[in-house]
Amino acid sequence: DIVMTQTPLSLSVTPGQPASISCKSSQSLLHGNGRTYLYWYLQKPGQSPQVLIYEVSNRFSGVPDRFSGSGSGTDFTLKISRVEAEDVGVYYCMQSIHVSITFGQGTRLEIK
Amino acid sequence: EVQLVESGGGLVQPGGSLRLSCAASGFTFSSYEMNWVRQAPGKGLEWVAYISSSDNTIYYADSVKGRFTISRDNAKNSLYLQMSGLRAEDTAVYYCARDGSSGWYPDCWGQGTLVAVSS
Repeated sequence: DIVMTQTPLSLSVTPGQPASISCKSSQSLLHGNGRTYLYWYLQKPGQSPQVLIYEVSNRFSGVPDRFSGSGSGTDFTLKISRVEAEDVGVYYCMQSIHVSITFGQGTRLEIK
Repeated sequence: EVQLVESGGGLVQPGGSLRLSCAASGFTFSSYEMNWVRQAPGKGLEWVAYISSSDNTIYYADSVKGRFTISRDNAKNSLYLQMSGLRAEDTAVYYCARDGSSGWYPDCWGQGTLVAVSS
């Protein structure tokens, strides 16, 4: 299975400040069709996960533009330009280039 | 509105069986691939199984292969997970999740149903 490694595992951010989460995969997520199968999810407290970013850098419908994704191959980053209180929760990266989908361990974001 | 509603969770003894169901509404269920994803208490997300829209392609995580069976009934807009040989480590909230039409990722998740395996 492809191993997804996130850093840091926890983050405490003042509202209005930026935040960044790294995700590294044990194999390249670039498919032969040119697409890169890396996604970001947020699981807010007591809720199901919701998709934020698909295929590295595309914001899902309704996701605020303060969220952005970047990266290629095996190294990826999720950035929040200005953290808001509603952004608290656990962020997961996920790969689906392999039939056995795998997630990162999760990064817990809290507000200072 | 797209909705996925899981049911069937509960307390079961080790070695026992349980069948989870997921009722879908608000979209054309037969056109979408579906997954089960689980989350052990206080832990991260673990993909469990995948089934294609016409159920001719099925995949399982190694941790459940041979013990769990994913299936669907497109006429009933329902997804199922038959679980047998349950172990303590199968204790988790089980989510039904729909794959997006534009890619290989779950874009809509149910609220989950808790399965607890304990004697």
